[in-house]
Amino acid sequence: AQSVAQPEDQVNVAEGNPLTVKCTYSVSGNPYLFWYVQYPNRGLQFLLKYITGDNLVKGSYGFEAEFNKSQTSFHLKKPSALVSDSALYFCAVGEFSGGYNKLIFGAGTRLAVHP
Amino acid sequence: DGGITQSPKYLFRKEGQNVTLSCEQNLNHDAMYWYRQDPGQGLRLIYYSQIVNDFQKGDIAEGYSVSREKKESFPLTVTSAQKNPTAFYLCASKPRPATNEKLFFGSGTQLSVL
Repeated sequence: AQSVAQPEDQVNVAEGNPLTVKCTYSVSGNPYLFWYVQYPNRGLQFLLKYITGDNLVKGSYGFEAEFNKSQTSFHLKKPSALVSDSALYFCAVGEFSGGYNKLIFGAGTRLAVHP
Repeated sequence: DGGITQSPKYLFRKEGQNVTLSCEQNLNHDAMYWYRQDPGQGLRLIYYSQIVNDFQKGDIAEGYSVSREKKESFPLTVTSAQKNPTAFYLCASKPRPATNEKLFFGSGTQLSVL
């Protein structure tokens, strides 16, 4: 079965510095991967996805993610963090099972950007 | 949050009581999902539906029930059999079920036990 791991519960970064939120995955075939962001007491908002093609995927709000097949990773990055980027970030991997399609989510990483 | 409305925003359940969480979407999406979110555990899939009058159990369906009588509606009932219902519940949808398209999420319902 597919799985996804986010090894850090929290990431702290100073405003203006680059940020990385880590994600590793385990799949039996070709993966498709997502990043979502959640602000307090809200639903999840889509940031970006990787299906196939270019390993560097660009998404919303200046975020990007790098797909690395050999390391089975899909880390989220941003060159210059903003205080408003502080939120909970989820990595997810898609799974087809029994003719159905669903997303498996990681436990989430809380990003705190300090002024 | 993209055309998905969840209500109520906050809900309290008494012991032995069934409660129903509403999820309505105006996006004309075929597939709908219910997730449960607990701190530090991410999102876990409760039930999902690919089409009207069809739904499947997810990873933690025990103590929950759903219906899909209309395309736009996918209510979740938390029954008295669910012994630890306190959590944040998220409804989601996407246009077509067996695809790599992104999920659209509602704003969530926080359920607490009195």
